[in-house]
Amino acid sequence: AQSVTQPDIHITVSEGASLELRCNYSYGATPYLFWYVQSPGQGLQLLLKYFSGDTLVQGIKGFEAEFKRSQSSFNLRKPSVHWSDAAEYFCAVGADDYKLSFGAGTTVTVRA
Amino acid sequence: DAGVIQSPRHEVTEMGQEVTLRCKPISGHDYLFWYRQTMMRGLELLIYFNNNVPIDDSGMPEDRFSAKMPNASFSTLKIQPSEPRDSAVYFCASSPGLAGDTDTQYFGPGTRLTVL
Repeated sequence: AQSVTQPDIHITVSEGASLELRCNYSYGATPYLFWYVQSPGQGLQLLLKYFSGDTLVQGIKGFEAEFKRSQSSFNLRKPSVHWSDAAEYFCAVGADDYKLSFGAGTTVTVRA
Repeated sequence: DAGVIQSPRHEVTEMGQEVTLRCKPISGHDYLFWYRQTMMRGLELLIYFNNNVPIDDSGMPEDRFSAKMPNASFSTLKIQPSEPRDSAVYFCASSPGLAGDTDTQYFGPGTRLTVL
């Protein structure tokens, strides 16, 4: 079965600074990979996804992620964070059975 | 499109009462998922349906939980009797299940359940 590890529970970053959130997955075949964002009291919104092809994926809100098969990673990045990026971020891996396994999430705090 | 719709958004009930959570998936989506989110256990998949048929209910915690999907536009998750440890946010998600977009799941806003 597939699984996801997000090593960082909480990250604090200054507004305007860059952000990188780590995600490592475990799956025997080529995975489907996702990043979702959850603002307080809200549902999960899809930021980006990787199914195949170009390993650098662009998403909404200026986010991007890079799939590295050799490292079993799918890290999320943003060059310059805004205060509105404060939220919880979830990495997820999917398999052919249409099920998603989510990581524990990383909470991002943005300081002025 | 209105997205996935869940009701109620908040539910407060007393232990032992029956609770019914409702979900309307995005029109045309063939897959529907129920998740539970808690601080301790994160996001857990409870059950999912394909074309209104339950495919995998291995995540349903116990017999007190049941889910139905009587038609393509409506699903319910029922807890009877409810217990304080059922307090959580319950999310419904739907997915088109089409080639090229197989696993993208679109989430509803969730129902925050508090069992006193």
